[in-house]
Amino acid sequence: DSGVTQTPKHLITATGQRVTLRCSPRSGDLSVYWYQQSLDQGLQFLIQYYNGEERAKGNILERFSAQQFPDLHSELNLSSLELGDSALYFCASSVGHSLREAFFGQGTRLTVV
Amino acid sequence: TQLLEQSPQFLSIQEGENLTVYCNSSSVFSSLQWYRQEPGEGPVLLVTVVTGGEVKKLKRLTFQFGDARKDSSLHITAAQTGDTGLYLCAGANFNKFYFGSGTKLNVKP
Repeated sequence: DSGVTQTPKHLITATGQRVTLRCSPRSGDLSVYWYQQSLDQGLQFLIQYYNGEERAKGNILERFSAQQFPDLHSELNLSSLELGDSALYFCASSVGHSLREAFFGQGTRLTVV
Repeated sequence: TQLLEQSPQFLSIQEGENLTVYCNSSSVFSSLQWYRQEPGEGPVLLVTVVTGGEVKKLKRLTFQFGDARKDSSLHITAAQTGDTGLYLCAGANFNKFYFGSGTKLNVKP
């Protein structure tokens, strides 16, 4: 158990819909990272938050947004969902903002039908 | 394009054999991590290497960071069926964390 909690574990939704994925980092970790893993793209970095502020941005679509709350949990919002958004979405956390190692949650498997 | 290239992509070996997985890049990384991921689970951190030329051992696993901090290797001695999984390298660069494409290892009994 990495200490990073993601909910829900599975999510099935229709195209055009909006979903919210939730992540609780390890106790004491201030940084949260979101990743998307699909079969043909591997693990793609989406976005990082550090202590409530956006710290780094990767290949995140405009239809996707994220935030980190004062209690340090984070949410990833995916809207206008398309079939191609089906993937595993992972959250990771680390202590500082300069990433050296991250601990991953078990992921949310999103299926868009 | 992947910033980190891993080879081989797939590896199927018999239990007891040795193997080496490579992670290469043209970029310099401040640190490099190796993860192992099982189907439906999140990647689990195995090791972090920071210094060029650094070698770290974790039981039967030996990790090496290249002198120029652009590449790394993972060597497994006497592989066991429990080593089966997806091995990912990841490099930290300017607050971004890049993953390699992964090496899928299957160890047959």
